[in-house]
Amino acid sequence: DIQMTQSPSILSASVGDTVTITCRASQAIGDWLAWYQQKPGNAPKLLIYKASIFHSGVPSRFSGSGSGTEFTLTIRSLQPDDFATYYCQHYNNMWTFGQGTKVEIK
Amino acid sequence: QVQLVQSGVEVKKPGASVKVSCKASGYTFTTYGISWVRQAPGQGLEWLGWISPFNGNANYAQKLQGRVTMTTDMSTSTVYMEMRSLTSDDTAMYYCARGLAEFDFWGQGTLVTVSS
Repeated sequence: DIQMTQSPSILSASVGDTVTITCRASQAIGDWLAWYQQKPGNAPKLLIYKASIFHSGVPSRFSGSGSGTEFTLTIRSLQPDDFATYYCQHYNNMWTFGQGTKVEIK
Repeated sequence: QVQLVQSGVEVKKPGASVKVSCKASGYTFTTYGISWVRQAPGQGLEWLGWISPFNGNANYAQKLQGRVTMTTDMSTSTVYMEMRSLTSDDTAMYYCARGLAEFDFWGQGTLVTVSS
């Protein structure tokens, strides 16, 4: 099975910062990767799919990149609404999530 | 608008079964697969399985093989997830989510608590 490893697990940042979350796959997965945002008590929300394509309505300060085994989610000019937990997800007949990265206020 | 509306809170005893529903609206039901994802308290997301409303084909996470069954009801555009032989480790929020690859719409979640 393909394993997805996110880093860091916790990221402390301030409003206005640019932050980067990394997701590594245990084997090459092409660009079959999505990113989600989840806030406490809510279902996850899709941000990015196919590694770099914005889901409808997602602010342009979010961006995704990568292919193969290494992927990144970058949030530029962090806003108060962005403090949340972020998950990467691989999909190819089976679906696998990373363990999550909590972006917290410094 | 696309909506996935799930059934309500469930409290079960160890060894029991639970069946959670997910009613879809706002799109052609057979066009997208539905997955189930769970989240134990304070933990991450775990994919449980996927079903195609088009032909009923299902694909389950290996660790749950034999304990979970997903079905669809075309007449009501509803997907069901049944889990058997529940233990305290199955206590979690259970979500349905739409998608053939990425999950673009999610249900609101159903809390399943397993406790004696």
